[in-house]
Amino acid sequence: GESVGLHLPTLSVQEGDNSIINCAYSNSASDYFIWYKQESGKGPQFIIDIRSNMDKRQGQRVTVLLNKTVKHLSLQIAATQPGDSAVYFCAERGNTGTASKLTFGTGTRLQVTL
Amino acid sequence: DTEVTQTPKHLVMGMTNKKSLKCEQHMGHRAMYWYKQKAKKPPELMFVYSYEKLSINESVPSRFSPECPNSSLLNLHLHALQPEDSALYLCASSRGETGGYEQYFGPGTRLTVT
Repeated sequence: GESVGLHLPTLSVQEGDNSIINCAYSNSASDYFIWYKQESGKGPQFIIDIRSNMDKRQGQRVTVLLNKTVKHLSLQIAATQPGDSAVYFCAERGNTGTASKLTFGTGTRLQVTL
Repeated sequence: DTEVTQTPKHLVMGMTNKKSLKCEQHMGHRAMYWYKQKAKKPPELMFVYSYEKLSINESVPSRFSPECPNSSLLNLHLHALQPEDSALYLCASSRGETGGYEQYFGPGTRLTVT
């Protein structure tokens, strides 16, 4: 079946460095992608999203890049801080009537070292 | 108010018990979701309600019974659960319209079945 996957299960970066978290997806019909951050004991928190008609979107310290040719999604975090330590999930969204279904990737744990 | 609330935070129940999980949002969202998340795994979709009607059931066992009393509330009734049902149960909501809107997640209910 369709799946969304990640290349690296754990990423360790030094405080102040930039982080890049990657995600491969397989459903070429997906038209919307989301990155979530999940801290221990909490629900996923929305970070940034991107539609398939875009290839880049920037937020505050975060940038999402979408390469539809190779079905690749990445999340870049600038000047990584200890508070960025969490598990990051990419998700793709398929329209199903008026409700949408999110399929999550396997997740990457980001560890920020001092 | 951009918050999804869930009660209880923690629940321990025996295999013969009946319990309910509750979820509430006041963002005017018309789609609500139940997810199950096992440790170190991504959230897995269970049910989707759109405009208070069940629109997606991801082949969930009948011991899980969802209910949407109104547009702000979502319940998950539990009966005769198995130990393998122990997990974090997440509720989410979205505007529910086609075109792509992010899902807002609650903090989850940590369920332990003994």
